Amino acid sequence: GDSVTQMEGPVTLSEEAFLTINCTYTATGYPSLFWYVQYPGEGLQLLLKATKADDKGSNKGFEATYRKETTSFHLEKGSVQVSDSAVYFCALDNAGNNRKLIWGLGTSLAVNP
Amino acid sequence: DAGVTQSPTHLIKTRGQHVTLRCSPISGHKSVSWYQQVLGQGPQFIFQYYEKEERGRGNFPDRFSARQFPNYSSELNVNALLLGDSALYLCASSLGQYNQPQHFGDGTRLSIL
Repeated sequence: GDSVTQMEGPVTLSEEAFLTINCTYTATGYPSLFWYVQYPGEGLQLLLKATKADDKGSNKGFEATYRKETTSFHLEKGSVQVSDSAVYFCALDNAGNNRKLIWGLGTSLAVNP
Repeated sequence: DAGVTQSPTHLIKTRGQHVTLRCSPISGHKSVSWYQQVLGQGPQFIFQYYEKEERGRGNFPDRFSARQFPNYSSELNVNALLLGDSALYLCASSLGQYNQPQHFGDGTRLSIL
C-alpha cells in the first residue's frame, strides 16, 4: 500500500543553519504531496504542497520539490529561526486510495538561538 | 475568516463511557475528515465525509462512528471507551474530496482514565 517515510528526529540546529528533512514515498498513480507543521500545543497547519512531478511548493522560506524519479519530497529552508521549532509531517493524498491522507511519523525540529 | 473549529478542546472520560466530538468546517468546505493522533505519532485516518455521506473509513473498530449534517458540520462518536482511545482527535476540512489541501482544527484532547 501507499506509504510515507520521513527521516527520524529529533533534529537540532542552531539559528540560521540550513535545514533538510527527507521524505520519500511509495504510491501508485500520481499523488499530491504535502508538508504540514505542528507547533507545540497547536493543531496541524498546511505548510506547502505540490500536485505533480517537478512542482515546487514554497511558503515562509520553506521549499520542497516533487521528484517522481526519486519518489521524494524533501523539505528545505536556507536559514532556520527559533520560531521554526515544531514537528513537521510529510503526507500524500492519492485519490485512488480511499481518498485519505497518508502521513509520515513526523520529524521534530528544535532550533537553538 | 474562521478556521476549522472543534469542541470541546479537552475532555476527560472513564473506560466504558461514550463521547461525542464536534467539528465545524471552514465556510464553503464540504468535506470533513477525522484523524486520531497518539502522542509522538502521525495522524491516523478515521473517516471522511463529503456531502453528508461517508466516503472513506480507516482501520478503526465499529465503536467509532461519525456523521455530517446539512450545514457540513460533523460529529465523531466513540462508544465503550478504552484507555487506548486517549489521543488528540483532529478534524480537517477541504473544499472537495480529491487532492485538496486539508485545513485542520486545533483538535480535541481526549483522556481516558
